[in-house]
Amino acid sequence: DGGITQSPKYLFRKEGQNVTLSCEQNLNHDAMYWYRQDPGQGLRLIYYSQIVNDFQKGDIAEGYSVSREKKESFPLTVTSAQKNPTAFYLCASNPTSGGGIRSYNEQFFGPGTRLTVL
Amino acid sequence: AQRVTQPEKLLSVFKGAPVELKCNYSYSGSPELFWYVQYSRQRLQLLLRHISRESIKGFTADLNKGETSFHLKKPFAQEEDSAMYYCALKYTSGSRLTFGEGTQLTVNP
Repeated sequence: DGGITQSPKYLFRKEGQNVTLSCEQNLNHDAMYWYRQDPGQGLRLIYYSQIVNDFQKGDIAEGYSVSREKKESFPLTVTSAQKNPTAFYLCASNPTSGGGIRSYNEQFFGPGTRLTVL
Repeated sequence: AQRVTQPEKLLSVFKGAPVELKCNYSYSGSPELFWYVQYSRQRLQLLLRHISRESIKGFTADLNKGETSFHLKKPFAQEEDSAMYYCALKYTSGSRLTFGEGTQLTVNP
């Protein structure tokens, strides 16, 4: 079950500590995304990257940071500034079709990481 | 601003009954809409997209621009349809999606 992987599956951290969640894909996709999934709130976009060495803030970027040094990797750091970090985090990827062009591309999701801050 | 609304957090039906999961959107451009599904202990995955006008696992969804809706329908629900369903809207530029809040469907025997 390759494609897009996230590690670890479960993560526990103490309050005030930064933590980095891993996301790797071997699909040769250009775009990668980080979502946060909370009950009753759906998926909310944290950060996304359309190309290596470039990324943009999503709807709830405060308290998070990312990097995109390699095409296949898009790690997410949850910093101590994030006020409510306990959540289920999903990473996704898809090939890009170019701006303004209608596409059939779907986003492929990883299995997720459940982060609990104690 | 783009917005997707799924008014029902929970939906429960009996096996063999029709089911409709509602999705409404607000978007000033030409919308491109999707339904994603997450079965228990499985990854979130694409179910269908309006552009393809396809039927997947008996589900269909029609884009109604007048009512700004993209409701998901199945005439006869099965127990294996029990899952969390998300409606999603794609931005015109790039590939970013906006997701709704999700509807947890339970099909009872």
